[in-house]
Amino acid sequence: AQSVAQPEDQVNVAEGNPLTVKCTYSVSGNPYLFWYVQYPNRGLQFLLKYITGDNLVKGSYGFEAEFNKSQTSFHLKKPSALVSDSALYFCAVRDPLGGNTGKLIFGQGTTLQVKP
Amino acid sequence: ETGVTQSPTHLIKTRGQQVTLRCSSQSGHNTVSWYQQALGQGPQFIFQYYREEENGRGNFPPRFSGLQFPNYSSELNVNALELDDSALYLCASSLEPGLRTEAFFGQGTRLTVV
Repeated sequence: AQSVAQPEDQVNVAEGNPLTVKCTYSVSGNPYLFWYVQYPNRGLQFLLKYITGDNLVKGSYGFEAEFNKSQTSFHLKKPSALVSDSALYFCAVRDPLGGNTGKLIFGQGTTLQVKP
Repeated sequence: ETGVTQSPTHLIKTRGQQVTLRCSSQSGHNTVSWYQQALGQGPQFIFQYYREEENGRGNFPPRFSGLQFPNYSSELNVNALELDDSALYLCASSLEPGLRTEAFFGQGTRLTVV
């Protein structure tokens, strides 16, 4: 079955330090991977996607993600965290068995807490 | 902010009642998907509409139904509400269905069933 795992419920980092939010996936065929961020009482905001090409993908707000096929991972990174980055982060994969819907399968989410 | 708007933002209903949630897609987007996000969980795919037809469905019972209109706005209807239907309902629009296009989400409708 297609699935996404975010092994950490919460990640704590000090402002100015690099951050990593982990994601691993299991999908048949080529993976199409996405990161979204959710602020309290808000919808999801698209950060970045990996479809094909370079393994390092750059996205919004200084975030980037590294696709690693051998480790089936797509970790989200930022070189220098801001307090305003504190939010709930979701990794998602398109379900290739979902017909042409492009149905997204989401992980459970990781809360990022950046402390001043 | 995306151009996807949902209404209402909050709603309280009684078990057994029916509810209709609305979504206006981003300009130029002909595809709308609906997701249910229970507390502490990731969103779960309910169904998708493409050019006014249902284009795929997740593991939700038939009492969850939808519509898409010629202007590509959409409704999600839930009949015979159950307590477990309490969740944030998210609408997402995209340029077209498929694996490569990103989906842009609205702010959601928080439904509470009592």
